Amino acid sequence: ETGVTQSPTHLIKTRGQQVTLRCSSQSGHNTVSWYQQALGQGPQFIFQYYREEENGRGNFPPRFSGLQFPNYSSELNVNALELDDSALYLCASSLYRSDTEAFFGQGTRLTVV
Amino acid sequence: AQSVTQLGSHVSVSEGALVLLRCNYSSSVPPYLFWYVQYPNQGLQLLLKYTSAATLVKGINGFEAEFKKSETSFHLTKPSAHMSDAAEYFCAVSVPSGYKLSFGAGTTVTVRA
Repeated sequence: ETGVTQSPTHLIKTRGQQVTLRCSSQSGHNTVSWYQQALGQGPQFIFQYYREEENGRGNFPPRFSGLQFPNYSSELNVNALELDDSALYLCASSLYRSDTEAFFGQGTRLTVV
Repeated sequence: AQSVTQLGSHVSVSEGALVLLRCNYSSSVPPYLFWYVQYPNQGLQLLLKYTSAATLVKGINGFEAEFKKSETSFHLTKPSAHMSDAAEYFCAVSVPSGYKLSFGAGTTVTVRA
């Protein structure tokens, strides 16, 4: 059984660019959530996808968008990058959309310059 | 809305001493509560969770936490610290049938030899 994997592990982008982050959920999990963790802070919920539909969204602007594919993997897209988007982006998968146990990936460290 | 407050951003303990990390929650409905650990450059690992069963919850690596409704607290303890316990610890809250975790700001634990 493979765990949650994210790619890439690190990347650097220029302000104004667009970025796509990827996440493969744990085997058998149909729900994926994305979190943003700024330096020195706790993770903040961005949104959740359940069976290819957005199931809930945190307080993030529309330039943060996502997708979930039939195999339950997911993408996080961020348009018009800002310096404040620099953070660790964490993906978590769970067996059900209201499951109490979420399994986190290693994260993608995004630096916007 | 649910939120947690972690008291103390840094805790330093001697190896073999008690580890106590404080977490207070706010929730309009009976909450689910979690403690996660994050090692440098890694994702989050679940230590333990409270989901309305026993109020004293035992987790991995010798950690335990007690849910106290009257004090709205869910403090994390470990009787004897080990060097490998040096990490960042996050308290989080959700609600039954909820879809997101709300995290505290985290507490960094250092262990002195």
